[in-house]
Formats: sequence, structure tokens, C-alpha cells
Amino acid sequence: AQSVTQLDSQVPVFEEAPVELRCNYSSSVSVYLFWYVQYPNQGLQLLLKYLSGSTLVKGINGFEAEFNKSQTSFHLRKPSVHISDTAEYFCAVSSVSGNTPLVFGKGTRLSVIA
Amino acid sequence: DADVTQTPRNRITKTGKRIMLECSQTKGHDRMYWYRQDPGLGLRLIYYSFDVKDINKGEISDGYSVSRQAQAKFSLSLESAIPNQTALYFCATSGLSGIRELFFGEGSRLTVL
Repeated sequence: AQSVTQLDSQVPVFEEAPVELRCNYSSSVSVYLFWYVQYPNQGLQLLLKYLSGSTLVKGINGFEAEFNKSQTSFHLRKPSVHISDTAEYFCAVSSVSGNTPLVFGKGTRLSVIA
Repeated sequence: DADVTQTPRNRITKTGKRIMLECSQTKGHDRMYWYRQDPGLGLRLIYYSFDVKDINKGEISDGYSVSRQAQAKFSLSLESAIPNQTALYFCATSGLSGIRELFFGEGSRLTVL
């Protein structure tokens, strides 16, 4: 079975500052990793995903994440945040076999301050 | 139109009432899921279905039931609603092959008084 730990429940950051949202996972098998974003009063949408290959993954809206197998981490970063990035961010993991559903972390609420 | 549609979007009901949340999708996906979102708890899986004849319990299935009426339709029922089932409920779909990326509906907010 897989599990996900998002290390910060809330992250406040000033506009145009960099941000990192941390995610660690646990799995005994190879995994796919995802970051989803939920804007206020909306459903979740995919931000980026790691399947294989390059450990640095680029997503929408200037976000990127780096897969670190030795540290079982998949941290999300953005060099300069905007007010519009205020949202809740969820890290998720699934086994490569795909026979089990995605497992989500508890989420990190990013608040961008003007 | 949205690819994954949930109805109703908002519902207020009383303890003991039977409630059904419906989900329909136009993505042609075989796999459908119901998740529940609570503040600070993230998304927790209630039930999932990998095809029309397949129903599986998730981590928090007690108090819920589901019906997969067709490939495109997956309903969640609360037979006798209780206040701690107040939450935001999401339906999601994914393809049979590939990386199993989830596509979400916009959510159904349920309040049980």
C-alpha cells in the first residue's frame, strides 16, 4: 500500500516570493506521483505528474516538482508566486501497476499575501 | 459542458434521510471513484468501480453504498444520513490504461443537520 505525507498544512508566502510545498511518500513498489490543485469552490485539477524519466517535472502555471527516489520525496516549487496561486495543493501517489486508486495527502493550503 | 458532472451541487438534509449523489461522465472512462473531502483530512476514498460489474470499498465505506448503473454513471447513496457525513463529495474518473490520472467533478456539498 502507498501513503503520502504533506509536511505543511498551511504555507503563507508574499507575492513574487518563491515557494516549496513538501511531499513525502511511502511505497514498497514503483510509483507514479501527482500534484493536484484546488482553487476555492472548485474541483481538483492536475498540476503535474511524474511517470518516469527526468526527475524534474514541469507543470502548468510555472510550477515544477522534483522526484527524489532516495528521499522518497516529490516537492513542488514555484520561483515567484502570484495572488492567483492561492489554493489548496494535494500530492498523490499510485502504484505503477495501476490496480489501486490514487492515495492523496491531506493537502497544503497556500496563501499568497499581497 | 463539464466532462464529469455531479448533481446536486449543494444539498441540505436532516439526520436519518436517504440521500443520493449522482455522477455522470462523458470521457468514456471505465474507472469511477467517490472521494470525500474534509478540512485537514484531504481526500478519502469511499468506493470505486473499475467497470460496470466491479464495485470496491475504499477506506471509509461504512454508511455509504454505490450503484454503477452504466459505464457513464456512478451514484453514491447515504441510506440514513448523519451529521458527521457533512462534507464535500467528489466524483472522479480515470482511463483503463495509461497513467490513471484522475479527472474530477466540481463536487457536491452535503450538509446533514
